[in-house]
Amino acid sequence: GAVVSQHPSRVICKSGTSVKIECRSLDFQATTMFWYRQFPKQSLMLMATSNEGSKATYEQGVEKDKFLINHASLTLSTLTVTSAHPEDSSFYICSAPETTNYGYTFGSGTRLTVV
Amino acid sequence: AQSVSQHNHHVILSEAASLELGCNYSYGGTVNLFWYVQYPGQHLQLLLKYFSGDPLVKGIKGFEAEFIKSKFSFNLRKPSVQWSDTAEYFCAVTNNAGNMLTFGGGTRLMVKP
Repeated sequence: GAVVSQHPSRVICKSGTSVKIECRSLDFQATTMFWYRQFPKQSLMLMATSNEGSKATYEQGVEKDKFLINHASLTLSTLTVTSAHPEDSSFYICSAPETTNYGYTFGSGTRLTVV
Repeated sequence: AQSVSQHNHHVILSEAASLELGCNYSYGGTVNLFWYVQYPGQHLQLLLKYFSGDPLVKGIKGFEAEFIKSKFSFNLRKPSVQWSDTAEYFCAVTNNAGNMLTFGGGTRLMVKP
């Protein structure tokens, strides 16, 4: 089946630094990638939708300049958390619509800890 | 806008008990419905999905869900839970255009051995 490879799975960074999270679709073309964030004991919250070759669409309340999304190819979408702060510590997960069975496939998630 | 609500936030059951997790959505058009499971420390996995046809959908690991259009519901069921079913369960909806998923708040299930 369709696979989305997400890495890193865990990252610890210092406040003020930037972290890049990558999601690659391994055996299908992902023209769209959804980026979610999950706070502890809460549900997934959609942050933004990236589309290959165009600007990402951000949900209300999500800072575009802080969470940079790039979808430069049909198999790669990246989320960069810029100038990270401890409150950015969270679980980030990407998801792409599958092309064959109308489902969604999820990356394995990235646990970001900002110290 | 579509929304999904899961009324049970925490459920604690003993092994072999029956499970039903509620999911209601609000959207006037045609929807696709999903149940996902997230085991501790793991990523989301699809349990089952409904697009059309038989409203009773069978998924992996003995789970099933029934789509009741008149009630805007898609409840998840399992006749006999196991300790290994301890996880968080998410109901999700998308419209027929295949746009982004809207998730419910999740239900944390704990099964006592």
